[in-house]
Amino acid sequence: ETGVTQSPTHLIKTRGQQVTLRCSSQSGHNTVSWYQQALGQGPQFIFQYYREEENGRGNFPPRFSGLQFPNYSSELNVNALELDDSALYLCASSVGLAVWGSYEQYFGPGTRLTVT
Amino acid sequence: AQSVTQPDIHITVSEGASLELRCNYSYGATPYLFWYVQSPGQGLQLLLKYFSGDTLVQGIKGFEAEFKRSQSSFNLRKPSVHWSDAAEYFCAVGPDYGGSQGNLIFGKGTKLSVKP
Repeated sequence: ETGVTQSPTHLIKTRGQQVTLRCSSQSGHNTVSWYQQALGQGPQFIFQYYREEENGRGNFPPRFSGLQFPNYSSELNVNALELDDSALYLCASSVGLAVWGSYEQYFGPGTRLTVT
Repeated sequence: AQSVTQPDIHITVSEGASLELRCNYSYGATPYLFWYVQSPGQGLQLLLKYFSGDTLVQGIKGFEAEFKRSQSSFNLRKPSVHWSDAAEYFCAVGPDYGGSQGNLIFGKGTKLSVKP
């Protein structure tokens, strides 16, 4: 069974640029959540996708957007990068939705984004 | 508002000593509680979870945690720490039934160092 994978592992971007991060969910999982973990902080929820639809969003601006594909993989896009976007971006997959009792999320290793 | 507090930013214990990491939460209903561990440069690994039932839960790597509703706490314990336990530990509560549709709310983490 393949776990959650993310790519790339690291990347460096310049302020104002755009970036796309990718996530492949664990086999059998149809829900993907994205978290931002700034240095020295716990992960903060960005948004969640279930069956290709956004299912919820945290306190992040619209320049953070996402997609989920029919195979349940997902992308996180960030436009107009700011210095404060530098962080570890974590993807987590799960089965179904929390309202159905599915709270257990499995995390990938993350993508370290540095904005200069 | 729902929140998680991990009062200890950094804890150092000697190898073989016992460990207790504190977690307090604020939640308006019966919470679902989690402990995750993050090694340097890695994603989050689930150690254990509490959904209901027995308030003492066992997890992987010899960890256990006890849910105390009266104290709004879910402290993580291990009787004998190994050098490989050095990592950052995150307590999380869910679901967040606010705007984020059932995702996890994390504490800021406790960094564990192990002395030989």
